[in-house]
Amino acid sequence: SAVISQKPSRDICQRGTSLTIQCQVDSQVTMMFWYRQQPGQSLTLIATANQGSEATYESGFVIDKFPISRPNLTFSTLTVSNMSPEDSSIYLCSVEKSGGATNTQYFGPGTRLTVL
Amino acid sequence: GENVEQHPSTLSVQEGDSAVIKCTYSDSASNYFPWYKQELGKGPQLIIDIRSNVGEKKDQRIAVTLNKTAKHFSLHITETQPEDSAVYFCAAVASGGSYIPTFGRGTSLIVHP
Repeated sequence: SAVISQKPSRDICQRGTSLTIQCQVDSQVTMMFWYRQQPGQSLTLIATANQGSEATYESGFVIDKFPISRPNLTFSTLTVSNMSPEDSSIYLCSVEKSGGATNTQYFGPGTRLTVL
Repeated sequence: GENVEQHPSTLSVQEGDSAVIKCTYSDSASNYFPWYKQELGKGPQLIIDIRSNVGEKKDQRIAVTLNKTAKHFSLHITETQPEDSAVYFCAAVASGGSYIPTFGRGTSLIVHP
């Protein structure tokens, strides 16, 4: 498995500002992912972040709004830029690790963001 | 692309009863089906998974079944306890390429003491 931590665990921000969320893993991983989970909803993939390459964004998400860094194999950041109340969500990072017969995805505890 | 349907959206049971959550998928290339449990204020936690070459898998009080022909899979929880109360997500992963699951919409399970 993997032990994943996120900072901050929660934050309340003013519209128009930006917040950077950090994700730290206890072991080296190639694939890291960022998800958004709106209240009472399922998980929506924002982007895939591989170390040494540009992040790959899913439809509806753009780098200017959600810039991602992946400086090494245990760390990544997601920035939510120029925030609006619609960005209020839980943001989750996850990693892909070998789980025996197949790879499996493990999630961090999430960052609960409220934008006023 | 893959589409995963999950039912019911809410499930309320008495402690000790069984709970069943059902999912269907559309992509015949999907061959790995993990289930996640998300407790309030926490991230999703992998609780059990099944590959397409297996029809059933058990781990203590939880089990998953897979019908590849019908493209549906289910989570079974027996002897439910209040600590089983959480949101459960099913997911499907297609073979080849990167592991990126398609998630169902989630089932909120409430176990009443």
